[in-house]
Amino acid sequence: GIQVEQSPPDLILQEGANSTLRCNFSDSVNNLQWFHQNPWGQLINLFYIPSGTKQNGRLSATTVATERYSLLYISSSQTTDSGVYFCAVGGSQGNLIFGKGTKLSVKP
Amino acid sequence: DTEVTQTPKHLVMGMTNKKSLKCEQHMGHRAMYWYKQKAKKPPELMFVYSYEKLSINESVPSRFSPECPNSSLLNLHLHALQPEDSALYLCASSQVGRRNTQYFGPGTRLTVL
Repeated sequence: GIQVEQSPPDLILQEGANSTLRCNFSDSVNNLQWFHQNPWGQLINLFYIPSGTKQNGRLSATTVATERYSLLYISSSQTTDSGVYFCAVGGSQGNLIFGKGTKLSVKP
Repeated sequence: DTEVTQTPKHLVMGMTNKKSLKCEQHMGHRAMYWYKQKAKKPPELMFVYSYEKLSINESVPSRFSPECPNSSLLNLHLHALQPEDSALYLCASSQVGRRNTQYFGPGTRLTVL
């Protein structure tokens, strides 16, 4: 099956810093989503981005489908950005296959 | 409205108990999913329902029994669980097909004693 790898596994930032999270996948995909899981477990949709570039406030994402990777950019990070960021790609039955996540800690 | 609701938020049960988890969405989605997430791990698929019919069962033990009574509701019936079944159980929904955004509920945090 398709493999999803995220890097780095852990990231510690000072408030106000910028960061880039990476997601590599092993096969072509029709669906790629980025999520933020908050400390209470809620998975918050950030982007649906199987290809191209999108921006939403301080967050932006780029997927280069031909090279099988996606990047999530967080600018001017805030303590509320802390949590785990997951990349997930579509499986053959419409399900999502998740990477192991990047745990982000933003220090004040 | 992109909300998926789940009840209860927390559940503690003994190994001999029978309980049910509930999930509801009113987005008109015809695909609904159960995922299980252990601590410090990513969510893993358990079941997929498409047009109220079970389309995927990822080799889940029979002590987990899903049910989709209508297009808005998804239940997960629990019986004779083991302590290792303690986890966050997440429900999600989407339009049917591979190119659609999945929306997740807040989850039920289950502890089996």
